Amino acid sequence: SQQGEEDPQALSIQEGENATMNCSYKTSINNLQWYRQNSGRGLVHLILIRSNEREKHSGRLRVTLDTSKKSSSLLITASRAADTASYFCATDARAGNQFYFGTGTSLTVIP
Amino acid sequence: EPEVTQTPSHQVTQMGQEVILRCVPISNHLYFYWYRQILGQKVEFLVSFYNNEISEKSEIFDDQFSVERPDGSNFTLKIRSTKLEDSAMYFCASRTWTEAFFGQGTRLTVV
Repeated sequence: SQQGEEDPQALSIQEGENATMNCSYKTSINNLQWYRQNSGRGLVHLILIRSNEREKHSGRLRVTLDTSKKSSSLLITASRAADTASYFCATDARAGNQFYFGTGTSLTVIP
Repeated sequence: EPEVTQTPSHQVTQMGQEVILRCVPISNHLYFYWYRQILGQKVEFLVSFYNNEISEKSEIFDDQFSVERPDGSNFTLKIRSTKLEDSAMYFCASRTWTEAFFGQGTRLTVV
């Protein structure tokens, strides 16, 4: 199975702190994406990193990818209470294929 | 910005009834997917659809499920005889060669 695992499963931090979530996967990938999901709501695409990229930034988000370790990390800097959500990584084996989701990290940012 | 739209947002049905979940993918996308998320659990792949046929399906996608692209815009998931355990959020997605975009989901409650 290609499905990934995120860690930690749950993370609680104070507003203003940085939050780091990790994702590990099992097989070679084409792309890795991070999604955010507010409780009971839809999946919001945050950022995509291609297998030949090592780092990508988008606003307060920083994503790294280490294909040798089959892992990725998502860093949210200067967190806000509104960042409270579940965060999932998703990988596809090749272009056009479906993405497989990890188990998610539940982030709580305390105001 | 183009988006994937799903209707209805919430559907309640009696056990044994048939339901059809509807999705309008992004117009120039070629790959379409259905995913399921049981409350509190991870997002699970159900089926992928390309060139008017199923390209891959998971073991969850058994004979009670079917998908169809009846016209140039809609993509539907039919559950023939719903069970209590079919209660979940169902997400439709479509993708380019790289990114996958998800709808807001249909929450299906089977009573």
